Amino acid sequence: QQQVKQSPQSLIVQKGGIPIINCAYENTAFDYFPWYQQFPGKGPALLIAIRPDVSEKKEGRFTISFNKSAKQFSLHIMDSQPGDSATYFCAATFTGGFKTIFGAGTRLFVKA
Amino acid sequence: ETGVTQTPRHLVMGMTNKKSLKCEQHLGHNAMYWYKQSAKKPLELMFVYSLEERVENNSVPSRFSPECPNSSHLFLHLHTLQPEDSALYLCASSQGWNSYNEQFFGPGTRLTVL
Repeated sequence: QQQVKQSPQSLIVQKGGIPIINCAYENTAFDYFPWYQQFPGKGPALLIAIRPDVSEKKEGRFTISFNKSAKQFSLHIMDSQPGDSATYFCAATFTGGFKTIFGAGTRLFVKA
Repeated sequence: ETGVTQTPRHLVMGMTNKKSLKCEQHLGHNAMYWYKQSAKKPLELMFVYSLEERVENNSVPSRFSPECPNSSHLFLHLHTLQPEDSALYLCASSQGWNSYNEQFFGPGTRLTVL
């Protein structure tokens, strides 16, 4: 199964809150899990990524948590800011492949 | 110009028209991609080119015809499209094609088919 299921579809939080976006996959052959951020009028841009041998990765205010046994991973945004308002896509890829499978996206709005 | 550029940014066409989308990458990458982005749906990979050779054609209707004349340019030729083809078409590039290579996206072409 080459799907990545992402939830929620949309999310509204107050400034300083911690939005959490969840993703799940079926294919255990996936071995790299990037998150992309897309602002209106722009293409997606890589935000942070994780490999399945790591349970957590932090880059600034962004953290990925990875649960290999559950085949789930999530993005947490600490101290969220209005500038974080964007659409976030989780994704999964295969070693040696060129095919990246994207989730459907989560539209995040951070209220000032 | 830096990164990945796409032209035009917006395109409105009738079902009988023929048009082309252009993508150019200024990053020295050797792989280029076309994606379709529709509202509330995952990005759909359409085509992948590696070193100007098509390596993936993801069951895309023949009314979409890609062309990659060199490693910096990618075109998507459109003809006799349907209204359901209206979407944002994104071009991306990467260095190589293994799973750890970051894809760099252009801003997209917003296509409306009347």
